[in-house]
Amino acid sequence: GENVEQHPSTLSVQEGDSAVIKCTYSDSASNYFPWYKQELGKRPQLIIDIRSNVGEKKDQRIAVTLNKTAKHFSLHITETQPEDSAVYFCAASRGTSYGKLTFGQGTILTVHP
Amino acid sequence: DGGITQSPKYLFRKEGQNVTLSCEQNLNHDAMYWYRQDPGQGLRLIYYSQIVNDFQKGDIAEGYSVSREKKESFPLTVTSAQKNPTAFYLCASSMYRDNGELFFGEGSRLTVL
Repeated sequence: GENVEQHPSTLSVQEGDSAVIKCTYSDSASNYFPWYKQELGKRPQLIIDIRSNVGEKKDQRIAVTLNKTAKHFSLHITETQPEDSAVYFCAASRGTSYGKLTFGQGTILTVHP
Repeated sequence: DGGITQSPKYLFRKEGQNVTLSCEQNLNHDAMYWYRQDPGQGLRLIYYSQIVNDFQKGDIAEGYSVSREKKESFPLTVTSAQKNPTAFYLCASSMYRDNGELFFGEGSRLTVL
């Protein structure tokens, strides 16, 4: 089955700095890669996703890049703010798997004012 | 107010007892899922259901059981056969299409004493 590795497990940055979280996956048939954000005590929510037919996707201060050859994808957050502090999860799935996602271990991001 | 409701939010049980976690959604989603969240391990899929009266095992189904008698409901029973049941359990749902966004409930924290 699919295996998703996520690094780093914790990340601490100063407000205004950029943050990068990286994930690798094992199943070359995976073609959907979402990122979820989970604030303390709250439910995970989708923040951005990318499909295998594109290499990069941006939404304001967040972006995701995908390298299918190397089987890795990354989340980039620019101009970080304290409200970006949360746990971030990457995930991967095949096209016909609906929500049958395989998640990474999670990254605790702390943004210091 | 549309969404997914999990209950109870906190649950304490003695070892050897079965316990059932409730998950109800009014989003008219076809697919529903149960994930288990442990520190440092991300979210792991327990069971999922794409249509009523049908469900499939996920990656860690041993010691768990589910039913899907109604589209809106997908209860999870943690049986005494589950060796390490103390965890945070998240229910989710999605539309019946490729790579649908997962909508999560607020979770149920089960502690076995």
